[in-house]
Parts: sequence; C-alpha cells; structure tokens
Amino acid sequence: QSVLTQPPSVSGAPGQRVTISCTGSSSNIGTPYDVHWYQQLPGTAPKFLIYANNNRPSGVPDRFSGSKSGTSASLAITGLQAEDEAVYYCQSYDSSLSAWVFGGGTKLTVL
Amino acid sequence: EVQLLESGGGLVQPGGSLRLSCAASGFIFSGYAMTWVRQAPGKGLDWVSAITGSGGSTYYTDSVKGRFTISRDNSENMLYLEMNSLRAEDTAIYYCAKSTTVTVDAFDIWGRGTMVTVSS
Repeated sequence: QSVLTQPPSVSGAPGQRVTISCTGSSSNIGTPYDVHWYQQLPGTAPKFLIYANNNRPSGVPDRFSGSKSGTSASLAITGLQAEDEAVYYCQSYDSSLSAWVFGGGTKLTVL
Repeated sequence: EVQLLESGGGLVQPGGSLRLSCAASGFIFSGYAMTWVRQAPGKGLDWVSAITGSGGSTYYTDSVKGRFTISRDNSENMLYLEMNSLRAEDTAIYYCAKSTTVTVDAFDIWGRGTMVTVSS
C-alpha cells in the first residue's frame, strides 16, 4: 500500500483529455517536496515524463502536463494517442518514512 | 549517449546473496546521485536504495535495511547493490536510475533492469 494514492485505471478515446490524480499527505506532496511523473510502456523501463510538479524534460510532447495543489498532484494528457497507452507513476519524497516513494501506478487505456 | 546497463541478476535460494552492478556512460558519473528501484512481477515501482554523487550518504527502504548495501566507484563509473539474506519478496526486476542532481531527486535516466529471482 503506497502512501501516494493513484486510481488503478483511467481510459479515454483518441483525441480526448484525461487526468491522473496522485493523492498524498502533509509528509510528502503537501510539503516543499516536488512530484515527478514516469511513463512505463509494456515490457520497458520507466521513462521520465514530468519533473518538479509541472516541468517537461526535453523530448516530452507538450500534450503532457503536471500540476500540484495542497496534498495532491495531477498529470494531464491531451490529444490522446494510441501510443500513450501505458502505466503512469507519480513519485515524491516522504519525510515521515525518510524514503522516496512511488504511487501505485495508473494504467491508461486508449479506447 | 547517456546509458545505464545493469547486470548480476539471477536465481538465488532464500537466504542467499547477490551483487548487482550498473555501468554508467555518457555523463559525469560523480556529479549525480544514483538509485535502485525494483518492480515485482505484475506490480508497481518500489524504491530500494540511493546514494549521493560523492557516495558520502546512502539511503534504504526499511525492508532492506541491514541486508542490502549500495555503493559506487566513481573512478569506474559503476554503481553496486550488494544483497544478502535474500527473501522471496525480493524477487523483482531491479532498475538502476540516475538522479537529476548530485542529491537524490527525480530519476531521469533508467537502465533496462536485471531480474532477481529468490526461490528454492
């Protein structure tokens, strides 16, 4: 059971917009600690997607965006494409655990 | 090209030991913290251990404290994870990943992973 809670699954049709939530607490997201996001395509290693809440590494399409408010963060994907079908993870630091933590992951299905 | 390549995984009996290695290339290795993240079959990502760029500070998740040791050789651009007293629940793909800074933060480069199976 992760301290960062994500919905197990979300879905959307091609071209639509979907959001994935990541809910934490005052010891992780609700602190100065940043939230980062990763995309894991089937059978591959995770890929760096969003860092420091709302920044995209070079090469990541601007269809992907992140936000953080209070003890929650969100990943938004606009203009859904078939290749976006993957599992998405949020990550932060938890001061109570003194550990870096991942959310449980959200499987995105493109209908 | 920035690259990480893990090795050393395999099948080991419960209570046994294994040493994972991660060869880094394409960046100034000593300038970045490094981490190990594992993924049990069909499960999510699980942070295991991290080490700062200098190697002066190390960090572990509670379930591996006292059993796993992370280390690095900045002269050889190598990261290691010494795993002792292995348990069935340690079975997973182990990824090494590079932090975005000299301290542990986000993880921007990942290796392909090496599989560790703990079974009799």
